Amino acid sequence: DTAVSQTPKYLVTQMGNDKSIKCEQNLGHDTMYWYKQDSKKFLKIMFSYNNKELIINETVPNRFSPKSPDKAHLNLHINSLELGDSAVYFCASSQYKDRVDTIYFGEGSWLTVV
Amino acid sequence: QKEVEQNSGPLSVPEGAIASLNCTYSDRGSQSFFWYRQYSGKSPELIMFIYSNGDKEDGRFTAQLNKASQYVSLLIRDSQPSDSATYLCAALGGYSSASKIIFGSGTRLSIRP
Repeated sequence: DTAVSQTPKYLVTQMGNDKSIKCEQNLGHDTMYWYKQDSKKFLKIMFSYNNKELIINETVPNRFSPKSPDKAHLNLHINSLELGDSAVYFCASSQYKDRVDTIYFGEGSWLTVV
Repeated sequence: QKEVEQNSGPLSVPEGAIASLNCTYSDRGSQSFFWYRQYSGKSPELIMFIYSNGDKEDGRFTAQLNKASQYVSLLIRDSQPSDSATYLCAALGGYSSASKIIFGSGTRLSIRP
């Protein structure tokens, strides 16, 4: 069973559209994240939720809105897509234990805006 | 701006040799450090973490941490072609779940047969 699963894996859409990416983790972790990886491989945190509460909200356009219906799910909705939104979006989860907060990533969602 | 810096590479190492990957971080408050491996088109996967000064060994991998120099490294012994990937260094800023893990941009490692 996949620990962190996200759908869809590939998404090609036109500028101006609205799209969502869904994420679920079955690890029982309290914290979930959305990361964005651009073409230069920089992996940047966008949002972090702990037990359904937003705890990290980086400088991300308001067009990006995360939603966590429960601690096992964290979805990402993107309004009015722009060309610059093309990237790989990774969902992840972690559990802080013994001084270490180890992140486990989903397989990624490849978003292409045309 | 808290940063994690890595040489982008590519780093080319002959099969069977030791590959040495380096990373520096700017935030002296960083507590834990991670090495992730990412194959092309795949998600990052954790190789190991370290939070105490010195060396930590796991199989063919050894992580080294020097907090005074703000330096982290990963040694891969007996390099195999399957080790060819991008290696991401990451630093965790604190002890709580609100702490951020900051990633470097990765070093591309190529093991030549």
